[in-house]
Amino acid sequence: QSVLTQPPSASGTPGQRVTISCSGSSSNIGNNYVYWYQQLPGTAPKLLIYRNNQRPSGVPDRFSGSKSGTSASLAISGLRSEDEADYYCAAWDDSLSGGVFGGGTKLTVL
Amino acid sequence: EVQLVESGGDLVQPGGSLRLSCAVSGFTFSNLYMNWVRQAPGKGLEWVGRTKNKANSYTTEYAASVKGRFTISRDDSKNSVYLQMNSLETEDTAVYYCATEGSSPGPDFDHWGQGTLVTVSS
Repeated sequence: QSVLTQPPSASGTPGQRVTISCSGSSSNIGNNYVYWYQQLPGTAPKLLIYRNNQRPSGVPDRFSGSKSGTSASLAISGLRSEDEADYYCAAWDDSLSGGVFGGGTKLTVL
Repeated sequence: EVQLVESGGDLVQPGGSLRLSCAVSGFTFSNLYMNWVRQAPGKGLEWVGRTKNKANSYTTEYAASVKGRFTISRDDSKNSVYLQMNSLETEDTAVYYCATEGSSPGPDFDHWGQGTLVTVSS
């Protein structure tokens, strides 16, 4: 059971907008930054969003992050086939004194 | 070019030990916080632990699941970080990634290695 809760799956058609939620608590998301990672099949994870809503250089602006209270969301607009991947949220947990991840959401592009 | 290369993954029996290495290039390594993250087969990501830099006394922090069994160390002269794993359990079977920590507080893992597979089985 992961500390951060994500839906196990999500799907959309090309061009559509999809969102992936991430729920936590005051010890993690509520008081710390949220990060999002994309993991394509057979590869290492890649940082997609940092500090709740910032994109590293090279990440398309189709990807956006938001946070409200103890929850966060990743939105992907203009969905493309190459977006099919696993997505993970992460945050620091003050009670555990460590990093915590969500269980991951498998995004399928129909 | 930034590069992280893990090595040392192997098949080991329960109760055994293994040491993983991660060589880093393209960075001023001594300034970095370094993390280990693992992924069991078909499962999600799990933070294992980290080592801070010299300026922060090389402080280490660990996930509860590995505390007391795993030790993270580093050698700034070799631009390398290590994960010593003792008392291995079948549940430790996973791909182990090393990752650099960026400037934002928290799991800001901006560069990752390709991973090395550790299999704990009799």
